[in-house]
Amino acid sequence: EVQLVESGGGLVKPGGSLRLSCSASGFTFSDYSMNWVRQAPGKGLEWVSSIGSRTSTYIYYADSVKGRFTISRDNAKNSLFLQMNSLRAEDTAVYYCARGIGFGGGWFDPWGQGTQVTVSS
Amino acid sequence: DIQMTQSPSSLSASVGDRVTITCRASQSISSYLNWYQQKPGKAPKLLIYAASSLQSGVPSRFSGGGSGTDFTLTISNLQPEDFATYYCQQSYSSPPITFGQGTRLEIK
Repeated sequence: EVQLVESGGGLVKPGGSLRLSCSASGFTFSDYSMNWVRQAPGKGLEWVSSIGSRTSTYIYYADSVKGRFTISRDNAKNSLFLQMNSLRAEDTAVYYCARGIGFGGGWFDPWGQGTQVTVSS
Repeated sequence: DIQMTQSPSSLSASVGDRVTITCRASQSISSYLNWYQQKPGKAPKLLIYAASSLQSGVPSRFSGGGSGTDFTLTISNLQPEDFATYYCQQSYSSPPITFGQGTRLEIK
């Protein structure tokens, strides 16, 4: 079964840092691009970052997180990461990792269950 | 950036109805359009990719259409489990990948 499981969320003060992890199983992780998407409370979906397959051929960020967040992957450990620094209240959201498939930016399938990040003093 | 606009924002329907949700792109995106379903407290689930291809395991009452700037998601013979929020997503121009604001489908 193809599965993604996020971890690492929590409560952090403004200006603080968190590192999210996404553990993949059931597929050849290195063959796929991977993505982070977030959802603020009561809001819609917002793409955060993408990383290419294998040698991380590309890395992209939303303008809202550029310079503060860093995406990375460890293909040997079937893991995706999101290092989040200089966190702000507006970063409060459920963060999902999702496998990317297909041409262009691709479509996302499956998604993990999400991990909650709350930025508050 | 390509903006995605869904209509309506919310919709009430009854079991057995046929409903259509529209997604409009701010510029042509060919067929680079995908649809997701999200239920409260759950992760989104892929329904349709490349505008009209049905994801494996998704019931055939779901169908997608359109190309260029105008797209539709149609659900025929609504079932109780279909009441959820639906999002479109463009993958033509990346970055950024952009989603529509969502359409909430409620039981009448």
